[in-house]
Amino acid sequence: DSGVTQTPKHLITATGQRVTLRCSPRSGDLSVYWYQQSLDQGLQFLIQYYNGEERAKGNILERFSAQQFPDLHSELNLSSLELGDSALYFCASSPIDSLEAFFGQGTRLTVV
Amino acid sequence: QQQVKQSPQSLIVQKGGISIINCAYENTAFDYFPWYQQFPGKGPALLIAIRPDVSEKKEGRFTISFNKSAKQFSLHIMDSQPGDSATYFCAASMSRRGSGTYKYIFGTGTRLKVLA
Repeated sequence: DSGVTQTPKHLITATGQRVTLRCSPRSGDLSVYWYQQSLDQGLQFLIQYYNGEERAKGNILERFSAQQFPDLHSELNLSSLELGDSALYFCASSPIDSLEAFFGQGTRLTVV
Repeated sequence: QQQVKQSPQSLIVQKGGISIINCAYENTAFDYFPWYQQFPGKGPALLIAIRPDVSEKKEGRFTISFNKSAKQFSLHIMDSQPGDSATYFCAASMSRRGSGTYKYIFGTGTRLKVLA
């Protein structure tokens, strides 16, 4: 168990809908990262937050957004969902000045 | 420049054999190279990592070899076991003071199967 908690574990929704994925980082970790894992794209970095502020952005679609709250949990919002958004979404966290990132179990999103 | 190339895509090894997975990178600013192990339905778990100031790091049956001049690094799994059957990802990152690691750039993964 990495200590990173993601909910829900599975999510099935229809095209055009909006969903929110939640991540609770390890206790004390200030950085949160979101990654998307699909069969043909591997693990792709989406966005990083550090202590509530956006720190880095990857190939995140405009339909996707994220935020990190004062209690350091983070949410990834996916809107106007398309079939191609079906993937595993992972959250990871790391402590300050550490190079290690610890991944959660992921949320499997299926868009039908 | 941001890519990390990983090979092979899949690997089948007999129990007790050596599994070798290779990765190559372009960006010389990368200064942290972890390997992650992922079982089906689970998140990636950190296996072992290396900084470019050393050429080799060993932890149990797992060894990273690092060639800075060639911009290549590899994972060796000695005495491979059926329980090692998983997908392995190499990654590269740049450290940033005060905010932990920068984003990871992952390789495309190697699906390892160890035959009993």
